[in-house]
Amino acid sequence: DTEVTQTPKHLVMGMTNKKSLKCEQHMGHRAMYWYKQKAKKPPELMFVYSYEKLSINESVPSRFSPECPNSSLLNLHLHALQPEDSALYLCASSPTFEAGYEQYFGPGTRLTVT
Amino acid sequence: AQKVTQAQTEISVVEKEDVTLDCVYETRDTTYYLFWYKQPPSGELVFLIRRNSFDEQNEISGRYSWNFQKSTSSFNFTITASQVVDSAVYFCALSDMNQAGTALIFGKGTTLSVSS
Repeated sequence: DTEVTQTPKHLVMGMTNKKSLKCEQHMGHRAMYWYKQKAKKPPELMFVYSYEKLSINESVPSRFSPECPNSSLLNLHLHALQPEDSALYLCASSPTFEAGYEQYFGPGTRLTVT
Repeated sequence: AQKVTQAQTEISVVEKEDVTLDCVYETRDTTYYLFWYKQPPSGELVFLIRRNSFDEQNEISGRYSWNFQKSTSSFNFTITASQVVDSAVYFCALSDMNQAGTALIFGKGTTLSVSS
């Protein structure tokens, strides 16, 4: 089963709200990723977790806070977002954090910040 | 510097036509990996293929085929007898040993529209 699930599918939030995006995989993968994708653009890497530890933070603003409670779950906590943060947020996983492994993506959460 | 170029922004074809999506990459590393992903309107990126730099054999999977040529730094993707369900954005991506872990460098994508 090469499935990565994400909830919710759609999220509308105000700039003062706090919300969380969730991602789950049961493939035994030890690397998990958050990407942000704007319309008609390729995905942009935000964070990488390897063995439940944050390995990469691509200079993402602190209003985005990732969390990896265990090897199957990845959360992205959102607080005080800006309208320009509206985008498709994709979660992905791969067997390990080594070059050469394909990443499996979830269906994404379409976030609108009002 | 590492870079992936997909020069074709949009391609429109009629069903049953063959179509080739171009991908040109740049890397200084001798060990690297190339990928193709499909992103239908639903949004999920679907993994299609991975090729490493030491394997130049072409790959065929049903109506899909890939032509990897190191001499021209290209990894092109051909869909034979296209179907409406092939309509999507296709991304070519690169991962090499100079990037931290499996960080993927994506091209800008090619939007393929197949009409009936």
